[in-house]
Amino acid sequence: DGGITQSPKYLFRKEGQNVTLSCEQNLNHDAMYWYRQDPGQGLRLIYYSQIVNDFQKGDIAEGYSVSREKKESFPLTVTSAQKNPTAFYLCASSISDGSGGLVNTQYFGPGTRLTVL
Amino acid sequence: GQNIDQPTEMTATEGAIVQINCTYQTSGFNGLFWYQQHAGEAPTFLSYNVLDGLEEKGRFSSFLSRSKGYSYLLLKELQMKDSASYLCAVINNNAGNMLTFGGGTRLMVKP
Repeated sequence: DGGITQSPKYLFRKEGQNVTLSCEQNLNHDAMYWYRQDPGQGLRLIYYSQIVNDFQKGDIAEGYSVSREKKESFPLTVTSAQKNPTAFYLCASSISDGSGGLVNTQYFGPGTRLTVL
Repeated sequence: GQNIDQPTEMTATEGAIVQINCTYQTSGFNGLFWYQQHAGEAPTFLSYNVLDGLEEKGRFSSFLSRSKGYSYLLLKELQMKDSASYLCAVINNNAGNMLTFGGGTRLMVKP
């Protein structure tokens, strides 16, 4: 079955600790994205990657880092520099970055709920 | 910058019709998406509009007017399972074709 997976579903972290959220897709999508969702707010873009070994900052990249060593994987690290990390984190992928007239429909993973204790 | 507005909450009755509006202000408009998101779950794709007009897909339809910066999602024959948040998102080709999401509309369907 093709899809996008995130793990773990729930994650607890102590203040001052770094934590890495996993995102894997077997859809052969070139582009991958990380969003943060807070209660009552829309999704906000943290980082995105349009191709392996390349990624760009989104609107709220401070306190986060990513890597894209493989097409299938786009892990997100929430560092201790992130002041308010408790949120629902969503990973998404799309077949392309939307250039060349292709529709950039993004498909989402199930999400990871991070709580800082 | 971009601004996307949709109502925070709506309530409707099972079997009825509900229209969820979305207005946007953006340069470089390149399409609009509607997603459905049940509480604690991932958003799922509902529709995509890039040209003016109505796109119908079963019980759900989506409308776009680019000149007015306006879209709506129409849900017919409402079912209890339609209780969810509905997210409007706009593509901006001046921002690398990234999606900008509105805050979402939480729809509650009552018996």
